[in-house]
Amino acid sequence: DTGVSQNPRHKITKRGQNVTFRCDPISEHNRLYWYRQTLGQGPEFLTYFQNEAQLEKSRLLSDRFSAERPKGSFSTLEIQRTEQGDSAMYLCASSPGRGLADPGGQFFGPGTRLTVL
Amino acid sequence: DQQVKQNSPSLSVQEGRISILNCDYTNSMFDYFLWYKKYPAEGPTFLISISSIKDKNEDGRFTVFLNKSAKHLSLHIVPSQPGDSAVYFCAASVAGGTSYGKLTFGQGTILTVHP
Repeated sequence: DTGVSQNPRHKITKRGQNVTFRCDPISEHNRLYWYRQTLGQGPEFLTYFQNEAQLEKSRLLSDRFSAERPKGSFSTLEIQRTEQGDSAMYLCASSPGRGLADPGGQFFGPGTRLTVL
Repeated sequence: DQQVKQNSPSLSVQEGRISILNCDYTNSMFDYFLWYKKYPAEGPTFLISISSIKDKNEDGRFTVFLNKSAKHLSLHIVPSQPGDSAVYFCAASVAGGTSYGKLTFGQGTILTVHP
């Protein structure tokens, strides 16, 4: 399977715990994005990487959230001291990052569904 | 501040007829627009895109129309098939600069195509 993969697919945690999600993008895709989707809404941008550099972070990404892409390949998204409002689907996407736009769009993974009790 | 809006939460269409999904945007900096389709338990899948220098783009049964003056785009599916039943998201981005590729999504429209 050469698509974007995300692990785990589901995570249930208690409020106050830390969680970490992993995203493996399509091989050789330079750009990697994190989005969050809540029920009845479209995905909301959180942050993105060009290779290992984190280029932009949304104001949605509070200081409890941190993302890394240490070697420009896979990425991790960590949420510290989780709150019930963090419950959502966390989506990762990658793209080749060529040119000014990605005419083929971004390739999304299946997402990690987080439930904070 | 919802910069991309899909005002119809759902749409029901008979197989073989045309499906028209609509999307409005407010940010005049957006110059690249995309449609994604999403099935349950899967991530969104890219469907079709259009640059602001065009007003129409076709790919098989799917056509996207862009009206820049009205800040409106629409996706036409002809003929509609039951397998098209899914959630459709409109998305917009700025084609250049450091934010390029960052997508702003609408809320989605649930399309149901009846046999």
